[in-house]
Amino acid sequence: QVQLQESGPGLMKPSETLSLTCTVSGGSISSYYWSWIRQPPGKGLEWIGDVYYSGSTNYNPSLKSRVTISVDTSKNQFSLKLSSVTAADTAVYYCARERAYSSSSGYFDHWGQGTLVTVSS
Amino acid sequence: DIQMTQSPSSLSASVGDRVTITCRASQSIIDYLNWYQQKPGKAPKLLIYGSSSLQSGVPSRFSGSGSGTDFTLTISSLQPEDFATYYCQQSYSTLITFGQGTRLEIK
Repeated sequence: QVQLQESGPGLMKPSETLSLTCTVSGGSISSYYWSWIRQPPGKGLEWIGDVYYSGSTNYNPSLKSRVTISVDTSKNQFSLKLSSVTAADTAVYYCARERAYSSSSGYFDHWGQGTLVTVSS
Repeated sequence: DIQMTQSPSSLSASVGDRVTITCRASQSIIDYLNWYQQKPGKAPKLLIYGSSSLQSGVPSRFSGSGSGTDFTLTISSLQPEDFATYYCQQSYSTLITFGQGTRLEIK
C-alpha cells in the first residue's frame, strides 16, 4: 500500500522560503505524477503544482513565480519550495499521487496526512 | 482557468436519505471530473474518478454521473460516516481546479 508522508517546519516568518518534502513508501515514485495541494484553515483545496518522476513540472500560474517542485527518485521523495511566504500562505499542505487520466492531468488516489504550515511574525 | 462551482454549499440530511450534490464547470471538461470526501482533520479521499468510475474500496451507495459541464454525486442511502465535506475536481486542464466544497451535515 502506497503511503505518503510530508515533513518540514510548521512555523515560519514572513519572507522566508517554505520547504517541504514528501516521502513515498510502499511503491516506486516512478511512472507517476506527484502533486502538492494546500488548504487554508476552514477553506477549500488549491492545487499548487506537480512533478513527473522524470522531473518535468506543472505549476498553478497564481503561484508559479514563487514555486519550485522537484523529485529525487533515489530517495523516493519529492519536494516543494515556496519563496517569500506571507500569512496568506498559512495552510495545511498535502502531497498526493496523481493518476494521469486525461492528456493534461489526473486524479489524486493517495494522499499524505497533511502538515500545517503557519506563517507569522 | 476552469471554474468549478458546487451546489449547494451546505446540506442537512438524515441517515437513510438520498442526497445529490452538483458540480458545474465553466466550460466542457468532457468526463474528466473527480469527487473527494474530506472529514475534519483528515486528507481528502478519492470516491469517483472519470465522472462515474467508483474508486476501489468505496461503497456502492456512492455514484457519479454527468458529462460536459454538469455533474452529480449521489449517495443513495446516507450512513453516519458519510457526513463530511465533498469536493469535485477537474482533470481536463493542466491547471487542476477544485470546487469550493459541499458540507453535508446531520439534520
